Amino acid sequence: GDSVTQMEGPVTLSEEAFLTINCTYTATGYPSLFWYVQYPGEGLQLLLKATKADDKGSNKGFEATYRKETTSFHLEKGSVQVSDSAVYFCALRFNKFYFGSGTKLNVKP
Amino acid sequence: ETGVTQTPRHLVMGMTNKKSLKCEQHLGHNAMYWYKQSAKKPLELMFVYSLEERVENNSVPSRFSPECPNSSHLFLHLHTLQPEDSALYLCASSQGPGKFEQYFGPGTRLTVT
Repeated sequence: GDSVTQMEGPVTLSEEAFLTINCTYTATGYPSLFWYVQYPGEGLQLLLKATKADDKGSNKGFEATYRKETTSFHLEKGSVQVSDSAVYFCALRFNKFYFGSGTKLNVKP
Repeated sequence: ETGVTQTPRHLVMGMTNKKSLKCEQHLGHNAMYWYKQSAKKPLELMFVYSLEERVENNSVPSRFSPECPNSSHLFLHLHTLQPEDSALYLCASSQGPGKFEQYFGPGTRLTVT
């Protein structure tokens, strides 16, 4: 069945470091792919999305490219800030949503 | 209020209690969802309602009972819960079931003692 696998956390980085959070998926069709972010004490918020192969989603300095050949949608940011500390969820949507288990990011000043 | 709101934000209940979680969406959406978020596990979809009808029930124990009186409100009635039911319960809404972006509420942190 459809599923999403993302790297386990926590990921701890210093401010201005480069971020990569890996996400791979398994799908029977051609899903749309998403990254959601959950800040402490809040619900999930859509961060970015890509609806077809080779699309790049971007928002707030974060980027992810839909790679069909490697079935991946890795999240990247060139320079993280303390305010980026949160839990990041990769998700796919074909007929319904499937979420990964989340990766906690801690950014230290 | 805008977006998706949930009350209460925190709830502690004994195993013999009965309580209800409330979700309200102010986005004009037609579909609403309950998710369970446990530590280090993927989000678990519990129920989906579309136009006030339950369209999905993912093998959730009967001690969880959802209710959707209209397209803006969703409840989760709880009774005789177990300690392993302690989790963050998230409500979400979307324009329609399955294929649309979901908007989440802040969640209710439930502790069963």
